[in-house]
Amino acid sequence: KAGVTQTPRYLIKTRGQQVTLSCSPISGHRSVSWYQQTPGQGLQFLFEYFSETQRNKGNFPGRFSGRQFSNSRSEMNVSTLELGDSALYLCASSFGDRGYGYTFGSGTRLTVV
Amino acid sequence: EDQVTQSPEALRLQEGESSSLNCSYTVSGLRGLFWYRQDPGKGPEFLFTLYSAGEEKEKERLKATLTKKESFLHITAPKPEDSATYLCAVQAGDYKLSFGAGTTVTVRA
Repeated sequence: KAGVTQTPRYLIKTRGQQVTLSCSPISGHRSVSWYQQTPGQGLQFLFEYFSETQRNKGNFPGRFSGRQFSNSRSEMNVSTLELGDSALYLCASSFGDRGYGYTFGSGTRLTVV
Repeated sequence: EDQVTQSPEALRLQEGESSSLNCSYTVSGLRGLFWYRQDPGKGPEFLFTLYSAGEEKEKERLKATLTKKESFLHITAPKPEDSATYLCAVQAGDYKLSFGAGTTVTVRA
């Protein structure tokens, strides 16, 4: 059974650029969530999509956005990158019902220089 | 706002030395409490879900328990391969997971 696939695994971008990260959930999972992980802040919730609709959003600026496609694949976009956006970005998928666990991908390591 | 506090921050154990990790939480309407294991450079790996006070779950050397205010992850006779960061998360009325900062466990042979 294939797990959650995130691409690319590593990315280096310059301040001011934008970036798009991709996530393919486990087959049959309808919910995709995105998290940012940094040494100082730990795992912080960005947003969640369920059946192409954003169902929940964390406390991040509008530069962070996402979307979900009809096949449940999801992308997240960060515009006007700042040095502080350097982090491990994790995607997690779930059936989408409350109480169900989330399966995480290996993440995309974004470095902003 | 949901709050999750894990203690201790770091734990160094000798192989075979059992210990417990604590996760205390404040949440309105707990839907589930989750334990994950995370190795460096990798995404969190799901371990357990606990739904109600009094519930216990076991997997190999790990056992998770839940009360109304906290959860414990007991590691029995740990081995070096149990070295990792253990994360606790709660899910409340919305769908998002709120994570604690984690406990980094190092097991020496």
